[in-house]
Amino acid sequence: GAVVSQHPSWVICKSGTSVKIECRSLDFQATTMFWYRQFPKQSLMLMATSNEGSKATYEQGVEKDKFLINHASLTLSTLTVTSAHPEDSSFYICSARNNLVYTEAFFGQGTRLTVV
Amino acid sequence: SQQGEEDPQALSIQEGENATMNCSYKTSINNLQWYRQNSGRGLVHLILIRSNEREKHSGRLRVTLDTSKKSSSLLITASRAADTASYFCATQSGNTPLVFGKGTRLSVIA
Repeated sequence: GAVVSQHPSWVICKSGTSVKIECRSLDFQATTMFWYRQFPKQSLMLMATSNEGSKATYEQGVEKDKFLINHASLTLSTLTVTSAHPEDSSFYICSARNNLVYTEAFFGQGTRLTVV
Repeated sequence: SQQGEEDPQALSIQEGENATMNCSYKTSINNLQWYRQNSGRGLVHLILIRSNEREKHSGRLRVTLDTSKKSSSLLITASRAADTASYFCATQSGNTPLVFGKGTRLSVIA
């Protein structure tokens, strides 16, 4: 299967600072990338969908000014958590898909964000 | 919105036993996928079953799909301690994002 690399795998930051998480498709072009958030012992909740070169579509209840998503190329999408607060501490996972080639989406390894 | 509902939420079995997890969903789908997640780690894709398929096998995994009941099951045969993980079903309609169920936490005791 195709490979999606997410970086960093974990990060600790202070309240009020911003954190950027990268998601790269290594061996395919990702026409669409998805960002999910997962709280402990819970399922993955979709935050937003981004198509290369266009603005991300955010799910209801997700603040677009707080979670900035940039999908500037077919192999890279970034999620920036701005002015992070302890309640933003969570596991963030990206997934990438090429709608023309693959039926399934491929997931990154996830990023554990802890805001102190 | 959450679509899939797995049951049971948690399952504890002895090594060598079979583990069965069920998933129900609400709307029509193109395919249903099962994923595995070890604690605090990323997702591993296990198997995909299309809406026109009823059963699929991959190694020790057997997945069934009943679109009339909007349900699927994942059977892991001859379980091993290394199968301990959370298992999620996820449904897809067209090019929409995957919608995940709540997951089943499986513990296989050696």
